Amino acid sequence: DIQMTQSPSSLSASVGDRVTITCRASQDIINYLAWYQQKPGQVPNFLIYAASSLQPGVPSRFSGSGSGTDFTLTINSLQPEDVATYYCQKYNSALPTFGQGTRVEIK
Amino acid sequence: QAQLVQSGSEVKKPGSSVKVSCKSSGGAFSSYSFSWVRQAPGQGLEWMGGIIPISGTTNYAQNFQGRVTITADTSTSTAYMELSGLRSEDTAVYYCARGPKLGDHNFWYFDLWGRGTLVTVSS
Repeated sequence: DIQMTQSPSSLSASVGDRVTITCRASQDIINYLAWYQQKPGQVPNFLIYAASSLQPGVPSRFSGSGSGTDFTLTINSLQPEDVATYYCQKYNSALPTFGQGTRVEIK
Repeated sequence: QAQLVQSGSEVKKPGSSVKVSCKSSGGAFSSYSFSWVRQAPGQGLEWMGGIIPISGTTNYAQNFQGRVTITADTSTSTAYMELSGLRSEDTAVYYCARGPKLGDHNFWYFDLWGRGTLVTVSS
C-alpha cells in the first residue's frame, strides 16, 4: 500500500506569512493528489486536485505543486480564516489514502 | 445545488451494526462514485470504501474488509454504509463523499461532502 506522509504535523505562522506544507508518497503517484482543508468543527473542504488545479471558488493564495512522490501546498499570505487542518490524499487507484494532516495556527 | 444529506446520529452497543444513509441531490447519481470517510475524535480522515452506482463496483480499505458493506439504490439516489461488529474504537463521524466522473473515468477524490453522521459505540 502507498503511504502518504505530511510534514510538519503542525505549524504556527503570522498573518501574511507564506506557509508550505509537504506531502510525500511512498511510491510514484504521478499527479493524482488532492488537498483538503478542514476548519475546526467543520466538514472537509476540497481545495486542489491533480496536484495543482485549484477548485473553483478557492482563494488564489492557495496553490499546489509537485509530481511523482513529492508535493506541496502553499498558502501565500496566511489569513486568520486559514486556521485549519490540511490533508493531502492520493487517488492514483480506487484505494485512496489520506495523509495524517497538518494543523495550521496563527502565531 | 448538489448536496449529500446523511442520516442522523446513532448510538450503538458493542457488537451490533449500524447503517448510515447518504441521499444525493442535484447530480447524475449513477455516474459518480460515493465513498465513506470516517474521522474518530481528534483524529484524521480515514477512507473506508466506495461504490460506483452505475456498475455496482465496490472497493474497500483493507482495514475494513469483512466488516463494512457499501451499497447504493439508484432509484432513490442514496448510498449506504453498514458497519458490523462495532467496537468502541468505531466511535467517529462518518462522512459520505462524492467522487467526480470526467469523461469515462471515475476519480477517487472528493469534491462534495455530506455533513457527517456521528456514530457512538457504547455499552
